[in-house]
Amino acid sequence: GAGVSQSPSNKVTEKGKDVELRCDPISGHTALYWYRQSLGQGLEFLIYFQGNSAPDKSGLPSDRFSAERTGGSVSTLTIQRTQQEDSAVYLCASSRSPQGYEQYFGPGTRLTVT
Amino acid sequence: AQSVTQPDIHITVSEGASLELRCNYSYGATPYLFWYVQSPGQGLQLLLKYFSGDTLVQGIKGFEAEFKRSQSSFNLRKPSVHWSDAAEYFCAVGARSSTLGRLYFGRGTQLTVWP
Repeated sequence: GAGVSQSPSNKVTEKGKDVELRCDPISGHTALYWYRQSLGQGLEFLIYFQGNSAPDKSGLPSDRFSAERTGGSVSTLTIQRTQQEDSAVYLCASSRSPQGYEQYFGPGTRLTVT
Repeated sequence: AQSVTQPDIHITVSEGASLELRCNYSYGATPYLFWYVQSPGQGLQLLLKYFSGDTLVQGIKGFEAEFKRSQSSFNLRKPSVHWSDAAEYFCAVGARSSTLGRLYFGRGTQLTVWP
């Protein structure tokens, strides 16, 4: 079956602009996660969804970052007023449930803020 | 606080040599344990996982890992490395909790394979 897909694969934006990153999880996976991967910071957790609710938003770095999930499927990560330090690869993952199941990762969106 | 340590940032081995990548974790209880591999420009691919039972787990591509509770370690091994194994390897831990879903990742170990 299809894996986790993310779009766009690459995004270049100017500082101060808003961006939206999309994630399509594996069909039937109820849990969805966003991570950020940047040089020097490794893989950072951002937010976790179970269904459409987000029990854990503790990794969002500032209030410029928000995410939603609709229909228990597609998720959108929005970054407002982008800053250069937001440049990173944003990875989405999904799993059958949050406990005890492996997470499957998408290819990521490379965000560059100029 | 939960943490994962991969002490080796970069490892170089010759093709055909054996490999061991180290992973130590700090956690309040026995977590779920994972190893992922990332090739350049790619997402993370799961190599293997430990949930319970036999502490020696087998994964894809000929990899195995051993969970040692007394040492809080989950080291990844392969008896004979292939050039295609060159990639970055991440150890991760997850909570045995229905309310927590995140994984904690180590900083990764970059593997270079000499022909």
